[in-house]
Amino acid sequence: EDKVVQSPLSLVVHEGDTVTLNCSYEVTNFRSLLWYKQEKKAPTFLFMLTSSGIEKKSGRLSSILDKKELFSILNITATQTGDSAVYLCAVDVWTNAGKSTFGDGTTLTVKP
Amino acid sequence: NAGVTQTPKFRVLKTGQSMTLLCAQDMNHEYMYWYRQDPGMGLRLIHYSVGEGTTAKGEVPDGYNVSRLKKQNFLLGLESAAPSQTSVYFCASSDRGVNTEAFFGQGTRLTVV
Repeated sequence: EDKVVQSPLSLVVHEGDTVTLNCSYEVTNFRSLLWYKQEKKAPTFLFMLTSSGIEKKSGRLSSILDKKELFSILNITATQTGDSAVYLCAVDVWTNAGKSTFGDGTTLTVKP
Repeated sequence: NAGVTQTPKFRVLKTGQSMTLLCAQDMNHEYMYWYRQDPGMGLRLIHYSVGEGTTAKGEVPDGYNVSRLKKQNFLLGLESAAPSQTSVYFCASSDRGVNTEAFFGQGTRLTVV
């Protein structure tokens, strides 16, 4: 059974802090790992990672994948209150099923 | 620029009642999914479809049925609602091409009393 585990489950920081969110996985026929941000409503896509060691970056957010150790991290630097959200990690596999396995998410709260 | 649209956004049902949630996407995606999200948990897959006329069970299919008669629509049915089905339901679609990201609807908050 495919498994995705995120840590920590929740995190409270102050504006300006840097945070690192973790996602480890155990799946068969790995295809890609995706990060989503969920603020109250629908998850929105952040990054898709398929290759080890290649950092994806968007503003203050960055992410990297380690396919040997089976994990990914999402970094957020200089956090702002608008970064408060649930961050979801999902893993896709190479089947014709087309379905992702999601972790339980990390709830990030950024205090002013 | 609608993307994925879910109706209704909110619903309260009595135990034993039935209802259908509608999901519509305008991106010509082949793959569509129904997830449920409970407090403190991620998204759990209920049913999914890899194309018009096809459906398959996900992780938590019991108590739900689905249909995909048209490519753009994916319906989720609850035949006899139970309090354990109180949740937020998300529909998503994907083209499963080079980019496997899913596009989500805004969710339906369902309460079964």
